[in-house]
Amino acid sequence: EAGVTQSPTHLIKTRGQQATLRCSPISGHTSVYWYQQALGLGLQFLLWYDEGEERNRGNFPPRFSGRQFPNYSSELNVNALELEDSALYLCASSFGTDRNYGYTFGSGTRLTVV
Amino acid sequence: DQQVKQNSPSLSVQEGRISILNCDYTNSMFDYFLWYKKYPAEGPTFLISISSIKDKNEDGRFTVFLNKSAKHLSLHIVPSQPGDSAVYFCAAIHNQGGKLIFGQGTELSVKP
Repeated sequence: EAGVTQSPTHLIKTRGQQATLRCSPISGHTSVYWYQQALGLGLQFLLWYDEGEERNRGNFPPRFSGRQFPNYSSELNVNALELEDSALYLCASSFGTDRNYGYTFGSGTRLTVV
Repeated sequence: DQQVKQNSPSLSVQEGRISILNCDYTNSMFDYFLWYKKYPAEGPTFLISISSIKDKNEDGRFTVFLNKSAKHLSLHIVPSQPGDSAVYFCAAIHNQGGKLIFGQGTELSVKP
């Protein structure tokens, strides 16, 4: 069974540009979560999508947005990139909102803003 | 507002000894807790979990203890091995499900 896949692995952007990160959940998983791990910091919750709807949002500015497609894959968009957006962005998936099924993480996208 | 806290940024243990990683939480609505292990530039991998209806869960060398009255949980690794060296995150889930709330992580170093 394929795990959670994220693309690209690495992304280098210039300040002010837009970045698009992609996530494919485990087959059958309907929920996708996005987290940011800045250097030396913990995992900060960004966004949660379930069944195509945004269910919850972390304490991030509106320039962080995303969507979930009918096949449950997801995109995270970061507009007007700032230097402090440089971080590892992690995606996790789960089966609906039932935590007993567990949360599986991808390997992340390393975003560098220069 | 840090609802899940890991107050020790790092821990160093000798190979073969016990590693104890601690985690505190403030939200009484959390009722499911998980521990993840993470290497640099990789996603976290699930280790062990515990429901609030239990006070202990064991899986091989890993045991998680939950003290609900103190809002405290701990992960015990016995015996510790050099391959256990990584950052360990505890996480909690609200009783209505949904997102994981993570602590800041503890970097474990197991020395041969």
